[in-house]
Amino acid sequence: AQKITQTQPGMFVQEKEAVTLDCTYDTSDQSYGLFWYKQPSSGEMIFLIYQGSYDEQNATEGRYSLNFQKARKSANLVISASQLGDSAMYFCAMRVYNQGGKLIFGQGTELSVKP
Amino acid sequence: NAGVTQTPKFQVLKTGQSMTLQCAQDMNHEYMSWYRQDPGMGLRLIHYSVGAGITDQGEVPNGYNVSRSTTEDFPLRLLSAAPSQTSVYFCASSYSIQGAFYGYTFGSGTRLTVV
Repeated sequence: AQKITQTQPGMFVQEKEAVTLDCTYDTSDQSYGLFWYKQPSSGEMIFLIYQGSYDEQNATEGRYSLNFQKARKSANLVISASQLGDSAMYFCAMRVYNQGGKLIFGQGTELSVKP
Repeated sequence: NAGVTQTPKFQVLKTGQSMTLQCAQDMNHEYMSWYRQDPGMGLRLIHYSVGAGITDQGEVPNGYNVSRSTTEDFPLRLLSAAPSQTSVYFCASSYSIQGAFYGYTFGSGTRLTVV
């Protein structure tokens, strides 16, 4: 069965430092996609970054990068130079090919950025 | 460009009442879906649709109905509300390329309380 695991319920980081949010996934399919979403206290789901299973390079989007280690089935999100506005819940999600577009979400990590 | 629009934003229902959560998208996405988010959990898929006239069940479909008469609209119906349906509901849409789905865009959510 497909599954996403986020083992860090909550994390703290000092402003301007980098932080890594962990995500491991489980699937037997070869074709899949991995997403990270940010959910601030206002509640909306904001897309951050995407990594396809066949992408050879790690995805980057501004201060966000995805550390994709296929053999370990991990897709960690790295946020560089943390800002106070980065305080939010972060969700890792997986889309598996031929599953009707279903996204499987992890339980989330609550990140708090300290000034 | 409105993206995905959900209404209402907040709703309180009495046990046994019925209601419809509205979702509309203006991006011509073929794929639409409904998720619910409960405290301490990631989002879980309720129902989804890969195109007008086509719907299917997700992970937690009981107590909910959907229909997709147009590409733009995907309403979620609660037939007889129960306290267990107290949750935050998100509608999402996406497009597909060669069978893989991308560009998941979420609505702002509906916070539903059943008393």
